[in-house]
Amino acid sequence: SQQGEEDPQALSIQEGENATMNCSYKTSINNLQWYRQNSGRGLVHLILIRSNEREKHSGRLRVTLDTSKKSSSLLITASRAADTASYFCATGESGGSNYKLTFGKGTLLTVNP
Amino acid sequence: NAGVTQTPKFRVLKTGQSMTLLCAQDMNHEYMYWYRQDPGMGLRLIHYSVGEGTTAKGEVPDGYNVSRLKKQNFLLGLESAAPSQTSVYFCATRPPGDIQYFGAGTRLSVL
Repeated sequence: SQQGEEDPQALSIQEGENATMNCSYKTSINNLQWYRQNSGRGLVHLILIRSNEREKHSGRLRVTLDTSKKSSSLLITASRAADTASYFCATGESGGSNYKLTFGKGTLLTVNP
Repeated sequence: NAGVTQTPKFRVLKTGQSMTLLCAQDMNHEYMYWYRQDPGMGLRLIHYSVGEGTTAKGEVPDGYNVSRLKKQNFLLGLESAAPSQTSVYFCATRPPGDIQYFGAGTRLSVL
Protein backbone atom coordinates (compact mmCIF):
# COMPACT_ATOMS: atom_id res chain seq x y z
CA SER A 1 0.00 0.00 0.00
CA GLN A 2 1.12 3.55 -0.59
CA GLN A 3 2.55 5.24 2.48
CA GLY A 4 3.06 8.75 1.19
CA GLU A 5 0.50 10.77 -0.67
CA GLU A 6 1.69 13.83 -2.54
CA ASP A 7 -0.41 16.88 -3.07
CA PRO A 8 -1.08 18.32 -5.56
CA GLN A 9 -0.98 15.60 -8.21
CA ALA A 10 0.06 18.19 -10.77
CA LEU A 11 1.43 21.72 -10.52
CA SER A 12 2.13 24.20 -13.31
CA ILE A 13 4.06 27.39 -12.63
CA GLN A 14 6.11 30.03 -14.43
CA GLU A 15 9.87 30.11 -14.37
CA GLY A 16 11.14 32.07 -11.39
CA GLU A 17 8.17 31.21 -9.18
CA ASN A 18 8.37 28.96 -6.16
CA ALA A 19 6.88 25.47 -6.18
CA THR A 20 5.55 23.76 -3.08
CA MET A 21 4.63 20.10 -2.90
CA ASN A 22 3.22 18.30 0.10
CA CYS A 23 3.43 14.72 1.30
CA SER A 24 1.33 13.02 3.94
CA TYR A 25 2.06 9.62 5.41
CA LYS A 26 0.40 7.20 7.80
CA THR A 27 2.85 5.45 10.08
CA SER A 28 5.85 6.36 12.22
CA ILE A 29 8.97 6.93 10.17
CA ASN A 30 12.74 7.01 10.52
CA ASN A 31 13.21 9.39 7.66
CA LEU A 32 11.48 10.94 4.69
CA GLN A 33 13.14 11.45 1.33
CA TRP A 34 12.30 13.32 -1.83
CA TYR A 35 13.21 12.01 -5.28
CA ARG A 36 12.92 13.56 -8.73
CA GLN A 37 12.10 11.69 -11.91
CA ASN A 38 12.55 13.26 -15.31
CA SER A 39 10.34 11.88 -18.04
CA GLY A 40 11.47 8.44 -19.14
CA ARG A 41 14.30 8.29 -16.59
CA GLY A 42 15.01 6.72 -13.22
CA LEU A 43 14.56 8.42 -9.88
CA VAL A 44 17.25 10.66 -8.45
CA HIS A 45 17.58 11.36 -4.74
CA LEU A 46 17.19 15.01 -3.78
CA ILE A 47 17.13 15.32 -0.02
CA LEU A 48 16.59 13.30 3.17
CA ILE A 49 15.17 14.54 6.44
CA ARG A 50 15.23 12.44 9.60
CA SER A 51 12.36 12.11 12.01
CA ASN A 52 14.12 14.26 14.62
CA GLU A 53 14.67 17.12 12.15
CA ARG A 54 12.14 19.80 11.29
CA GLU A 55 13.72 21.55 8.34
CA LYS A 56 16.52 20.96 5.91
CA HIS A 57 17.99 22.94 3.02
CA SER A 58 19.92 21.94 -0.05
CA GLY A 59 20.56 24.62 -2.64
CA ARG A 60 17.16 25.81 -3.90
CA LEU A 61 15.38 23.04 -2.01
CA ARG A 62 13.80 23.35 1.40
CA VAL A 63 12.14 20.43 3.12
CA THR A 64 10.06 20.57 6.26
CA LEU A 65 8.80 17.69 8.36
CA ASP A 66 5.99 17.75 10.89
CA THR A 67 5.82 14.35 12.56
CA SER A 68 2.81 15.35 14.66
CA LYS A 69 0.82 15.91 11.47
CA LYS A 70 2.63 13.17 9.56
CA SER A 71 3.38 15.53 6.73
CA SER A 72 6.28 17.02 4.80
CA SER A 73 6.66 19.75 2.23
CA LEU A 74 9.19 20.33 -0.50
CA LEU A 75 9.79 23.90 -1.62
CA ILE A 76 11.72 24.64 -4.80
CA THR A 77 12.63 28.31 -4.98
CA ALA A 78 13.24 30.33 -8.15
CA SER A 79 12.14 27.45 -10.35
CA ARG A 80 13.67 26.77 -13.73
CA ALA A 81 12.37 24.97 -16.79
CA ALA A 82 14.86 22.19 -15.99
CA ASP A 83 12.97 21.54 -12.74
CA THR A 84 10.11 20.10 -14.79
CA ALA A 85 9.78 16.54 -13.51
CA SER A 86 7.79 14.29 -11.21
CA TYR A 87 8.62 14.52 -7.53
CA PHE A 88 8.10 11.64 -5.12
CA CYS A 89 8.27 11.42 -1.38
CA ALA A 90 9.43 8.16 0.17
CA THR A 91 9.31 7.08 3.77
CA GLY A 92 11.56 4.75 5.71
CA GLU A 93 9.42 3.30 8.46
CA SER A 94 10.22 3.32 12.11
CA GLY A 95 10.80 0.04 13.92
CA GLY A 96 10.64 -2.03 10.79
CA SER A 97 12.88 -2.78 7.91
CA ASN A 98 14.25 0.67 7.37
CA TYR A 99 16.14 -0.56 4.36
CA LYS A 100 12.83 -0.46 2.52
CA LEU A 101 11.25 2.74 1.28
CA THR A 102 7.59 3.28 0.52
CA PHE A 103 6.92 5.76 -2.26
CA GLY A 104 4.01 8.06 -2.86
CA LYS A 105 2.28 8.55 -6.19
CA GLY A 106 4.14 11.73 -7.05
CA THR A 107 3.55 15.33 -8.06
CA LEU A 108 4.10 16.30 -11.69
CA LEU A 109 5.70 19.74 -11.78
CA THR A 110 5.72 21.72 -14.99
CA VAL A 111 7.78 24.91 -15.10
CA ASN A 112 6.89 27.06 -18.07
CA PRO A 113 9.62 29.25 -19.60
CA ASN B 1 22.03 6.92 -13.24
CA ALA B 2 25.68 5.99 -13.24
CA GLY B 3 26.48 2.73 -11.51
CA VAL B 4 23.13 0.91 -11.95
CA THR B 5 22.56 -0.62 -15.37
CA GLN B 6 19.33 -2.28 -16.43
CA THR B 7 18.96 -4.49 -19.47
CA PRO B 8 17.01 -4.56 -21.65
CA LYS B 9 15.61 -1.03 -21.89
CA PHE B 10 12.49 -2.10 -23.78
CA ARG B 11 10.79 -5.42 -24.34
CA VAL B 12 7.52 -6.65 -25.79
CA LEU B 13 6.27 -10.07 -24.73
CA LYS B 14 3.30 -12.18 -25.60
CA THR B 15 1.14 -13.51 -22.81
CA GLY B 16 2.69 -16.65 -21.36
CA GLN B 17 6.23 -15.93 -22.47
CA SER B 18 9.05 -15.72 -19.97
CA MET B 19 11.91 -13.29 -19.61
CA THR B 20 14.60 -12.10 -17.24
CA LEU B 21 15.47 -8.51 -16.46
CA LEU B 22 19.04 -7.87 -15.37
CA CYS B 23 20.22 -5.24 -12.94
CA ALA B 24 23.97 -4.77 -12.64
CA GLN B 25 25.76 -2.42 -10.26
CA ASP B 26 29.38 -1.45 -9.93
CA MET B 27 29.13 0.32 -6.58
CA ASN B 28 29.52 -2.73 -4.30
CA HIS B 29 26.20 -1.99 -2.58
CA GLU B 30 24.72 -4.72 -0.42
CA TYR B 31 21.06 -3.92 -0.91
CA MET B 32 19.25 -4.17 -4.21
CA TYR B 33 15.59 -3.67 -5.07
CA TRP B 34 13.14 -4.23 -7.90
CA TYR B 35 10.17 -1.88 -8.27
CA ARG B 36 7.41 -1.50 -10.78
CA GLN B 37 5.93 1.83 -11.73
CA ASP B 38 2.44 2.12 -13.12
CA PRO B 39 0.57 5.30 -14.07
CA GLY B 40 -0.89 6.97 -11.02
CA MET B 41 0.53 4.32 -8.68
CA GLY B 42 4.01 5.52 -7.86
CA LEU B 43 6.65 2.85 -7.25
CA ARG B 44 5.78 -0.47 -5.66
CA LEU B 45 8.39 -2.86 -4.31
CA ILE B 46 8.42 -6.31 -5.93
CA HIS B 47 11.40 -8.07 -4.32
CA TYR B 48 14.59 -7.00 -2.64
CA SER B 49 17.91 -8.41 -1.50
CA VAL B 50 20.02 -7.50 1.49
CA GLY B 51 23.11 -9.29 0.22
CA GLU B 52 24.50 -11.93 -2.08
CA GLY B 53 22.45 -15.11 -1.95
CA THR B 54 19.48 -13.51 -0.16
CA THR B 55 16.12 -12.36 -1.46
CA ALA B 56 12.85 -11.28 0.12
CA LYS B 57 9.33 -10.41 -1.00
CA GLY B 58 8.12 -6.87 -1.24
CA GLU B 59 4.67 -5.44 -1.65
CA VAL B 60 3.73 -7.02 -5.00
CA PRO B 61 5.80 -10.22 -5.47
CA ASP B 62 3.24 -12.47 -7.19
CA GLY B 63 4.20 -13.57 -10.69
CA TYR B 64 7.87 -12.65 -10.23
CA ASN B 65 10.99 -14.45 -9.06
CA VAL B 66 14.42 -13.07 -8.29
CA SER B 67 17.95 -14.26 -7.79
CA ARG B 68 21.11 -12.68 -6.37
CA LEU B 69 23.84 -15.18 -7.14
CA LYS B 70 26.47 -12.49 -7.43
CA LYS B 71 26.62 -9.33 -5.35
CA GLN B 72 26.69 -7.08 -8.38
CA ASN B 73 23.69 -8.61 -10.17
CA PHE B 74 20.01 -8.83 -9.27
CA LEU B 75 17.77 -10.68 -11.72
CA LEU B 76 14.01 -10.35 -11.99
CA GLY B 77 12.19 -13.17 -13.75
CA LEU B 78 8.72 -13.42 -15.20
CA GLU B 79 7.90 -17.10 -15.72
CA SER B 80 4.61 -16.62 -17.55
CA ALA B 81 3.99 -13.01 -18.46
CA ALA B 82 0.51 -11.52 -18.12
CA PRO B 83 -0.87 -8.23 -19.47
CA SER B 84 -1.11 -7.01 -15.85
CA GLN B 85 2.69 -7.07 -15.76
CA THR B 86 2.92 -4.36 -18.39
CA SER B 87 4.83 -1.70 -16.53
CA VAL B 88 8.11 0.13 -16.16
CA TYR B 89 10.53 -1.76 -13.94
CA PHE B 90 13.21 -0.05 -11.92
CA CYS B 91 16.16 -1.49 -10.11
CA ALA B 92 17.73 0.35 -7.21
CA THR B 93 20.70 -0.17 -4.94
CA ARG B 94 21.46 1.07 -1.46
CA PRO B 95 24.79 1.57 0.27
CA PRO B 96 24.99 1.93 4.07
CA GLY B 97 22.54 4.73 4.81
CA ASP B 98 19.06 5.31 3.50
CA ILE B 99 19.44 6.71 0.00
CA GLN B 100 18.66 4.54 -3.01
CA TYR B 101 20.24 4.79 -6.45
CA PHE B 102 18.09 3.92 -9.43
CA GLY B 103 18.66 2.52 -12.87
CA ALA B 104 17.09 4.03 -15.96
CA GLY B 105 14.28 1.48 -16.10
CA THR B 106 12.98 -1.27 -18.36
CA ARG B 107 9.73 -0.63 -20.19
CA LEU B 108 7.85 -3.92 -20.61
CA SER B 109 4.70 -4.49 -22.62
CA VAL B 110 2.84 -7.78 -22.42
CA LEU B 111 0.35 -8.32 -25.23
